Amino acid sequence: DAGITQSPRHKVTETGTPVTLRCHQTENHRYMYWYRQDPGHGLRLIHYSYGVKDTDKGEVSDGYSVSRSKTEDFLLTLESATSSQTSVYFCAIRVSGAYNEQFFGPGTRLTVL
Amino acid sequence: AQTVTQSQPEMSVQEAETVTLSCTYDTSESDYYLFWYKQPPSRQMILVIRQEAYKQQNATENRFSVNFQKAAKSFSLKISDSQLGDAAMYFCAYPGGSQGNLIFGKGTKLSVKP
Repeated sequence: DAGITQSPRHKVTETGTPVTLRCHQTENHRYMYWYRQDPGHGLRLIHYSYGVKDTDKGEVSDGYSVSRSKTEDFLLTLESATSSQTSVYFCAIRVSGAYNEQFFGPGTRLTVL
Repeated sequence: AQTVTQSQPEMSVQEAETVTLSCTYDTSESDYYLFWYKQPPSRQMILVIRQEAYKQQNATENRFSVNFQKAAKSFSLKISDSQLGDAAMYFCAYPGGSQGNLIFGKGTKLSVKP
């Protein structure tokens, strides 16, 4: 499972509240990603990081921010949650090597009421 | 834009039979990788199989194999001797994002009938 954990695993919150999701990895990978999964859309990139304090936007970044102060932790923040941000959120790491394949955390189901 | 298309939203197979899931993609690259992920009800994304585009030989992993046709940009997944535990969503993915991210198809939901 590439040593990736996500917390919380489930969260229900109300519109307008801030929410932070945490991704933690134990294997020192440089590249980390946040995706969201919605029915009929597969997984889409929100933000990614290519090192400590190095982050950039993905396809669906509006309403989200990220931070990476340590190699092992990548935080995703919804500054003011909206119902359209109800989704399953996955963190992934990219293994540098022949395939550059990605491995995923267990996901966080977020419901915004 | 790079795209990945899975044209079968749902598929069904009888236990012990063989099923093939389709995937096509769009790229102008000549050397790349392709992946199939499985997502069971537990929600975990599991890497099933990978293929290097420059390799002629189709990848195999136990009961899972691919039919890779580079010219047609087709990357189908064949599951042999289907088992109840194969029931899941299957996603085809291509690392075509400008940030090295994966671009996913919309998925195929596979049901396995006993």
